[in-house]
Amino acid sequence: GENVEQHPSTLSVQEGDSAVIKCTYSDSASNYFPWYKQELGKGPQLIIDIRSNVGEKKDQRIAVTLNKTAKHFSLHITETQPEDSAVYFCAASPSGGSYIPTFGRGTSLIVHP
Amino acid sequence: SAVISQKPSRDICQRGTSLTIQCQVDSQVTMMFWYRQQPGQSLTLIATANQGSEATYESGFVIDKFPISRPNLTFSTLTVSNMSPEDSSIYLCSVEVASQAEKLFFGSGTQLSVL
Repeated sequence: GENVEQHPSTLSVQEGDSAVIKCTYSDSASNYFPWYKQELGKGPQLIIDIRSNVGEKKDQRIAVTLNKTAKHFSLHITETQPEDSAVYFCAASPSGGSYIPTFGRGTSLIVHP
Repeated sequence: SAVISQKPSRDICQRGTSLTIQCQVDSQVTMMFWYRQQPGQSLTLIATANQGSEATYESGFVIDKFPISRPNLTFSTLTVSNMSPEDSSIYLCSVEVASQAEKLFFGSGTQLSVL
């Protein structure tokens, strides 16, 4: 089955800095890669996703890049703000059929004011 | 999107007892799932809740321990049976809607502590 590795487990940055979280996956059949943000006391919320036919996708301060050959994808947050502090999960899933995602172990992002 | 109401939000239970968690969605959804999130860990799928039939359990999870019901398209329950301290976790209901295939929406979770 799919195996998703996520690094780092904890990331501490100063407000205004950039943050990068990296994930690798093992199953070449995976072609959908969502990122979820989980704030304290809440459920995960989808913030951005990318499919394997796209190399990069951007939404305001958040961007995701995908290298399908190397089987890795990354989340980039620019101009971080304290409200970006949360746990971020990457995931990978194949499309069609049983496309239940496999999640990474999460990255706790702390943005210091 | 979908608005998911999950309750209770938290509970403290005694060893050997059972707790039923409810998940109500404001619209019809194609898929409903139950996840477990142990402290500092990732999201582990317990089972897929199937409407009108038995849930589909992932490896390591069994119906006797985690019975699941889904009587209609918008409601599901997960019961954690004969609890032990190892069951202390956050339990999350998750759904997929037809108009946004592959995207999961999560409830706010149930934080369970077993003494």
